[in-house]
Amino acid sequence: DGGITQSPKYLFRKEGQNVTLSCEQNLNHDAMYWYRQDPGQGLRLIYYSQIVNDFQKGDIAEGYSVSREKKESFPLTVTSAQKNPTAFYLCASSKHLLLKGQPQHFGDGTRLSIL
Amino acid sequence: SQQGEEDPQALSIQEGENATMNCSYKTSINNLQWYRQNSGRGLVHLILIRSNEREKHSGRLRVTLDTSKKSSSLLITASRAADTASYFCATVGRDDKIIFGKGTRLHILP
Repeated sequence: DGGITQSPKYLFRKEGQNVTLSCEQNLNHDAMYWYRQDPGQGLRLIYYSQIVNDFQKGDIAEGYSVSREKKESFPLTVTSAQKNPTAFYLCASSKHLLLKGQPQHFGDGTRLSIL
Repeated sequence: SQQGEEDPQALSIQEGENATMNCSYKTSINNLQWYRQNSGRGLVHLILIRSNEREKHSGRLRVTLDTSKKSSSLLITASRAADTASYFCATVGRDDKIIFGKGTRLHILP
């Protein structure tokens, strides 16, 4: 079955440490997205990529970095510069641009906590 | 910046009743989407309605869109225990950006 796989499901970060969250899709989608969700809140866009080797900052990109070396993969690094990283991180993909009426497909998330 | 605002924030109804959730937004949109999120899981796309459409149906779901009032509603008929989840509206603007609301937490009572 096609879908989006996020790993790990739970992740703990020590102070001053960078951690990388994995996101892989086998849906042959061009666009991929990373969101952050805090308790009782909606999703906030961190980064998105519409094509390989290209990505754009979302609303809350500070303290995060991404890469898109392969169509299937869009890893997110939470750097030590992100002072409040505890959250639920969701990766999503869509076939084409959302403006064309494309739904997003989501992974099951990674919950990141601070030790 | 938040665009879609769902109302109510939380809703509890008896199984078998209908559930209605509303979403209001501020700026012009290309399309509006509704998603469901079960606890601790990712979002699942339910239905998409374009700005030139007024109503769409999918199984027990009915979505309406009123662009003059900048609002949408999601109706779930004959609710079931499995419908217990959070429901989010998301607006896609003409700049292709998608913005999610904070969601409505729906609880179906047995």
